[in-house]
Amino acid sequence: DIVMTQSPDSLAVSLGERATINCKSSQSVLYTSNNKDDLAWYQQKPGQPPKLLIYWASTRESGVPDRFSGSGSGTDFTLTISSLQPEDVALYYCQQYYSSWTFGQGTKVEIK
Amino acid sequence: QVELQESGPGLVKPSETLSLTCTVSGGSISSYYWTWIRQPPGKRLEWIGYIHNSGRTNYNPSLKSRVTISLDTSKNQFSLRLASVSAADTALYYCAKSKSFNSRSPFDSWGQGTLVTVS
Repeated sequence: DIVMTQSPDSLAVSLGERATINCKSSQSVLYTSNNKDDLAWYQQKPGQPPKLLIYWASTRESGVPDRFSGSGSGTDFTLTISSLQPEDVALYYCQQYYSSWTFGQGTKVEIK
Repeated sequence: QVELQESGPGLVKPSETLSLTCTVSGGSISSYYWTWIRQPPGKRLEWIGYIHNSGRTNYNPSLKSRVTISLDTSKNQFSLRLASVSAADTALYYCAKSKSFNSRSPFDSWGQGTLVTVS
């Protein structure tokens, strides 16, 4: 199994400030046939299922605000919220779909 | 936008079989990959397995000996059966849909989840 490790486990950011979440995979998730990383980011609010935010490491899902961005390749990835809004308080998960599907342990984002 | 809804017993006795159904509305269950995922309390999300409308299935090796996923296209439903359950199978169970027609795909639609307790 590919193990996904996120850091930090939680972070508190002031409204309007940047939030950065890191995700590391135990092996590369770069699919060389199309040169895309099989890495997704999800947002989960209490009592709701995960919501797809980003796929192929940096492609925003339709309807996702552009303050959310993804970057990285190979084994190291980052989700950035450029200007934290109250509605962004949630758990965030990374997921690889290169070899079956595995998820990170989650990062809790709160308002400072 | 496709919607998914899980249904089934919330309480299962140890050694018995857990059975859940996911009803898909707002779209056909044809194409795509239909998946079960679970989240035990305090633990990370775990992929259980998928089924494609071709009938092809793929299961998490850690659960493969106990899992069966089936499809009923006439009802636009797919189902999960997990045999010989124990307390370790207590979890929030989600059904989900692949974003693309390719199995290498994230999940763009999820059910609300259903809590199953083994006790």
